[in-house]
Amino acid sequence: KAGVTQTPRYLIKTRGQQVTLSCSPISGHRSVSWYQQTPGQGLQFLFEYFSETQRNKGNFPGRFSGRQFSNSRSEMNVSTLELGDSALYLCASSLAPDRALYYEQYFGPGTRLTVT
Amino acid sequence: SQQGEEDPQALSIQEGENATMNCSYKTSINNLQWYRQNSGRGLVHLILIRSNEREKHSGRLRVTLDTSKKSSSLLITASRAADTASYFCATAPAERISSGSARQLTFGSGTQLTVLP
Repeated sequence: KAGVTQTPRYLIKTRGQQVTLSCSPISGHRSVSWYQQTPGQGLQFLFEYFSETQRNKGNFPGRFSGRQFSNSRSEMNVSTLELGDSALYLCASSLAPDRALYYEQYFGPGTRLTVT
Repeated sequence: SQQGEEDPQALSIQEGENATMNCSYKTSINNLQWYRQNSGRGLVHLILIRSNEREKHSGRLRVTLDTSKKSSSLLITASRAADTASYFCATAPAERISSGSARQLTFGSGTQLTVLP
């Protein structure tokens, strides 16, 4: 099975611009979660999508948004970029059926976003 | 915010030695997981231990969980240079599964392990 793929792998943007990152989960996985990783804050949960619905959201401003398509592929969007948005953005997929008690998340290689 | 604190922040050992990393967390958990990350890449899932388990093994990995102390340890035996990476613990909260929050992992700050050949 192919793993989680993320595109693009590297991105350089200017302050004030917006950016869209894409994530394709493992085939059959319906849950996609997004995380931001920075040297200062570490790994922080952004949001999770399941069957095209946002099920859970972390403590990030409204500039961070996402969506999931019917084929489970997900995108996240960051508007009005700030320097502090420079980070590695990781996407993770899991089977996570509604009532799963225990699950594993499979991470993609990440998108390295640099805001100048 | 970070749920867990990992100790030590950095660890350097010789090949063949054992490496032990510790993780402490603050709230009640459903399960605790350990992940490895190589040099700014994606995370690789290593092992999951449930809140009602005390110890789990997988190959050269041994994980313990003490819910009374809200702590976990990861032991890598007979380390190899290829084990050089950052190791993170991640906790899933002990909340109703239907709330969806059980899938929200909270990561520790990580331990950077260097295994010298």
